[in-house]
Parts: sequence; C-alpha cells; structure tokens
Amino acid sequence: QVQLQESGPGLVKPSQTLSLTCTVSGGSISSGSYYWSWIRQPAGKGLEWIGRIHTRGSTNFNPSLKSRVNMSLDTSRNRFSLNLSSVTAADTAVYYCAREDYASSSVDPWGQGTLVTVSS
Amino acid sequence: QSALTQPASVSGSPGQSITISCIGSSSDIGGYNFVSWFQQHPGKAPKLTIYDVSNRPSGVSNRFSGSKSGNTASLTISGLQADDEADYYCSAHTSSSTWVFGGGTKLTVL
Repeated sequence: QVQLQESGPGLVKPSQTLSLTCTVSGGSISSGSYYWSWIRQPAGKGLEWIGRIHTRGSTNFNPSLKSRVNMSLDTSRNRFSLNLSSVTAADTAVYYCAREDYASSSVDPWGQGTLVTVSS
Repeated sequence: QSALTQPASVSGSPGQSITISCIGSSSDIGGYNFVSWFQQHPGKAPKLTIYDVSNRPSGVSNRFSGSKSGNTASLTISGLQADDEADYYCSAHTSSSTWVFGGGTKLTVL
C-alpha cells in the first residue's frame, strides 16, 4: 500500500526557509488523480492545512500562508516538497504530508510527521 | 478562512454514544458534501475516520458515523470503547478550493 515519509531539517533559523520532502512508496505520485498535501500541528494545538499540489502540478494554498509557501513535485524521485519562507517561531510544528483524493474528501494515508523547530 | 467550530471536549461512558458537532458556513460545510473527520491519538498522525460527510474508509468500525445538516456536520460514536479516547478533527472543502480544519475535540471515555 502507499506510504508517505517526511524528511528535512529539524531545526531552522528565524527568517530562513523551511524545506521538507515527502517520499512516496508503494505507488507513483504521477499516476491516478490525487492531491499531495501538507498539514501542520503546533505542539498541543490543532491541525492547520498548509496547501496541496495536484498530480499535474496545480497548487492551492492556505490564504494565511500563501505569500510564503511553495510546493513542487519530483516525479523522478517519487516525492514532493514544501518550502516555507521567512519562518518565525510561530512556524514551529509537526509537519505532516498526506495524499488527498481528487474527487472526494478522503485524505489518506498520512506520513508519520516530522517536528520542525524554528529557533536561533 | 475561518476555522470550523468544534466543542473543546466531550465525554461518555463505555457503551454510550456521543456526538461531536462541527459548525461552518455556507462557504464550506453547507456548500459541499466534502467533510471529513480524523481521529488522532497522542503522538500519532491523524487517521481518516469519515469522508464525504458519511463514508467510512475500509477498516473503520461501523460504530463511527457522520452526518450533515445545513452548515453543521456531526460525528457520532456509538458503543464507546476505551480506545476511542482521542482528539477528533473535522475538515471541510471551501469555496476557495482550500481546506479548513476544526479546532479539535478531546474525547474522554470515563
């Protein structure tokens, strides 16, 4: 079955760019019709949708983060990426990647999550 | 976009039923049948529990059910079990082609 795994630096300095990758196994990110999504969760708080990228490359972002977010697909390595620029301590969170079905509200599976701390 | 509104906490005894509400607007819950619910145990990734308002993914117990009326979606868990104790989040598609989550509800099984 399809599995997702986040990777990237666990510590990022303020004002720098947070970069994470989600590697997909058990299926191709370029087959089927899916969105590949990022969601985050600050410690002790709720989930926040960051954005998504479609198999064909179109994107949608949370309006509150839109000016700082970029996402991309790397079909040769079967992975997709998140870049969040000008980070502050408020961006400290566990970051999850997930697969979203194009024609439904099914968001499954999810990665296990990776903690990113923004601190100098 | 505004977060969906969920109660901070609900509780119930084993065997009982509970319902968690999720209040949105005509731009999200009321406008589409794209509402999902996720169960999250401490330290774990969220798990899809309900999608498209009332559909259960394969492997999810039929004790979990979802519904929607107007701008409010609901998750009902019947026959409460100890393992149901977790945080529950609703999410909905919006008119801006984005997604919005609820603030989460902590379920305590007494």
